[in-house]
Amino acid sequence: GAGVSQSPRYKVAKRGQDVALRCDPISGHVSLFWYQQALGQGPEFLTYFQNEAQLDKSGLPSDRFFAERPEGSVSTLKIQRTQQEDSAVYLCASSPSSGYGYTFGSGTRLTGV
Amino acid sequence: GENVEQHPSTLSVQEGDSAVIKCTYSDSASNYFPWYKQELGKRPQLIIDIRSNVGEKKDQRIAVTLNKTAKHFSLHITETQPEDSAVYFCAASMNTGFQKLVFGTGTRLLVSP
Repeated sequence: GAGVSQSPRYKVAKRGQDVALRCDPISGHVSLFWYQQALGQGPEFLTYFQNEAQLDKSGLPSDRFFAERPEGSVSTLKIQRTQQEDSAVYLCASSPSSGYGYTFGSGTRLTGV
Repeated sequence: GENVEQHPSTLSVQEGDSAVIKCTYSDSASNYFPWYKQELGKRPQLIIDIRSNVGEKKDQRIAVTLNKTAKHFSLHITETQPEDSAVYFCAASMNTGFQKLVFGTGTRLLVSP
């Protein structure tokens, strides 16, 4: 597609619910990133994929967070047993190379109930 | 790790005035400095970036300057227009095989007609 597509745009999750957030990067982009943006803050790095390989997951806040990109294109960020503090916008970005000139998606706004 | 500070947090200018946003970074190994514009509820969009081998870069009304010695970089917008109103984020990264961006906390720019 022409841009990075994320779904759903909005997700309301009850405490303890598992959620899955999807990212469709720009076709052919090798690099894929996930960032978390809390209200009024800048995005914070979660994890990085080069093709299907997850090369850095140092930003994932807990073992409840898991990301995958099994075929080197679409990626899914999964959050298990959601907590109130997980409420944020989750942004996906892709890049044709190692990360210069990211293109971000519009994000998924996750709200805890 | 890298730490990026950004100021001011809010900036109000009259249409036609110039606006300057400043950022400092902590890690002298950082070598890539992009700026993103984020309108309310939308994705961050790359507006300009600079690498550490360049001191200044311009693109129409937008310019970025980099002082490696002082570890600070600035965004300059001239002849501001109401559509420039948005939140602007600076970021810094070093190439560790890929660009992991560390963002500032953002500057809300309001351009009044």
